[in-house]
Amino acid sequence: AQKITQTQPGMFVQEKEAVTLDCTYDTSDPSYGLFWYKQPSSGEMIFLIYQGSYDQQNATEGRYSLNFQKARKSANLVISASQLGDSAMYFCAMIREGAQKLVFGQGTRLTINP
Amino acid sequence: KAGVTQTPRYLIKTRGQQVTLSCSPISGHRSVSWYQQTPGQGLQFLFEYFSETQRNKGNFPGRFSGRQFSNSRSEMNVSTLELGDSALYLCASSTRLAGLKDTQYFGPGTRLTVL
Repeated sequence: AQKITQTQPGMFVQEKEAVTLDCTYDTSDPSYGLFWYKQPSSGEMIFLIYQGSYDQQNATEGRYSLNFQKARKSANLVISASQLGDSAMYFCAMIREGAQKLVFGQGTRLTINP
Repeated sequence: KAGVTQTPRYLIKTRGQQVTLSCSPISGHRSVSWYQQTPGQGLQFLFEYFSETQRNKGNFPGRFSGRQFSNSRSEMNVSTLELGDSALYLCASSTRLAGLKDTQYFGPGTRLTVL
């Protein structure tokens, strides 16, 4: 079975600082995908970034980057130069090959202070 | 391109009633997945529909059902509502053509309250 663990229930960061949100996963599948989503208070899940298990390089999307350490089974999200609008819940999720089911972690609530 | 839309956005029902939620996927997306989000259980997968057929199912009782129409729109039905069914129900659509990279794009959700 797949499992995602996000150990930081909440984080507080000053505006313009970089922040790292932790995600560790457990799976016996050789092929899998890892996603990060942002959920503002409005409720909609917003896709941020994707990393495949066989990708050689860490994924980047604008201010978001993924620190993927396959041997340690971790896929931490790094947000550079945080902004007030980054305040939200952040979820790490995993998908296995052949199944359209996302398995989510419990999420981390990020608060950016001015 | 319009995003995933869900209707209604809010619902209040009483125990024992049934409810139908609707989801319209992004144009061109043929896969629709449903998730339930509660404070206690987090985000849990309900089921996925592709080409009008249920392809994957989560661990939920038979009171939860769904269907997909030929235009890829999907509905989810919950019968004999229980207090524990109060949740945010999220729908996500994807092309199902990109393998592991197939990104699911979510709608704004329907917040269901059962009294």
